[in-house]
Formats: sequence, C-alpha cells, structure tokens
Amino acid sequence: EIVMTQSPATLSVSPGERATLSCRASQSVSSNLAWYQQKPGQAPRLLIFGASTRATGIPARFSGSGSGTEFTLSISSLQSEDFAVYYCQQHNYWPLTFGGGTKVEIK
Amino acid sequence: QLQLQESGPGLVKPSETLSLICSVSSGSISISSHSWGWIRQPPGKGLEWIGSIYYSGSTNYNPSLKSRVTISVDTSKNQFSLSLSSVTAADTAVYYCANTTKSNWFGPWGQGTLVTVSS
Repeated sequence: EIVMTQSPATLSVSPGERATLSCRASQSVSSNLAWYQQKPGQAPRLLIFGASTRATGIPARFSGSGSGTEFTLSISSLQSEDFAVYYCQQHNYWPLTFGGGTKVEIK
Repeated sequence: QLQLQESGPGLVKPSETLSLICSVSSGSISISSHSWGWIRQPPGKGLEWIGSIYYSGSTNYNPSLKSRVTISVDTSKNQFSLSLSSVTAADTAVYYCANTTKSNWFGPWGQGTLVTVSS
C-alpha cells in the first residue's frame, strides 16, 4: 500500500499570503496525484488531478506541481474561503490512498 | 453537473450489515465515462477509500475491507449501493459516495451520511 504523508499538519497563514502544502508518496505514483479541499461539515471538493490539472470551476490561485514521490499544492493569495483542510490522494495504485491532511488556518 | 445523495440508516448494531444507497441526479449512472466510489471518514480523522465500481461492472475494493464489502449499481433507479457486513464500532464514520473515472480521482461527492455502529 502506498503511504501518503502530508506536511505540515497545520499551516498558519495570513489572508493574502501564499500557502505551500506538501505531499510525499512512499513510492513513485508518477503524476497520478489529486488534491481535495474540505471545510467543516462539508464533503471534500476536488481541486487538482493528475498532479497539476485544475478541476472544473477551481480558481487559478490553486496550482499543483510535482511527480514521482514529491508533490506541492500552492495557493497564491489566500482568501477567507480557502481556510480548510487539504488532502492529497494517489490514484496510481490499488488501494487508492489519501494523506492525513493539512489544516490551513488563519494566522 | 452531477449531484449525489447518500441515504440509509444512521445507526447500525454491531455484527449487522451497513447498507447505503447513493442516488445520482442531473446525469445518467450508465454513461461510459462514469464510475462510482465510496469513501469514509471516521469522526475527526482522515479519508479512507472503500471501493469503486466501473462502467464495465468491475469492482475494486480496499483489501482492508474486501471480505466485507459489496458495491453494486442499479441502473433502473440511477443509484449505486454499498454493503458492509459484520460491522464494529471501528466502522463508525461519515460515508461519502462520489463520481470517479477510470483514472480514479473523485468528484463530485455526496454530502455524506454519518453511520454510527452501536448497540
């Protein structure tokens, strides 16, 4: 099973600043990596798939990069609605696995 | 865009079977590009993939749950379902259904339904 490790567990950022979230896979997953945003009491929302392709309707301030075992989600200028928990998921191997999440909180 | 809605009992007794339905609207469950999955999230914890069913009818399940899980599709009702047998307290979670593809990312998701396993 591929283990996905996200860091940091919590990221404190001021509105308008840039946030950089990391996700590491225990072995290469090529570019088969997705990112999700989850707000309290809500279902996750797909942000990025294939490591760098934004899902429909996702603002351009969200960008994904990386391949192999190291991936990054960047949010260029944090808006109030971006404070949430973010999960990565590898979609290269069975079983599909998620990272433990990074909580982005207001500094 | 597709909309998904989970339904089923919110309370299940230990050793019994958890059964949930996901109703799909604003689209056909039978379209070849569509596949379907279940993911769960224990209270305060992260996400765990349960399994997926593809347009071909093939399924893939998480090995940690495989012996207890069945996912099926009812095209006449535009629904798909999850059955998880022999549940314990460790199966208490919010259960989500989601649209997926052959590339296995998930979106959109249903709103989720909390299932508590308790006597």
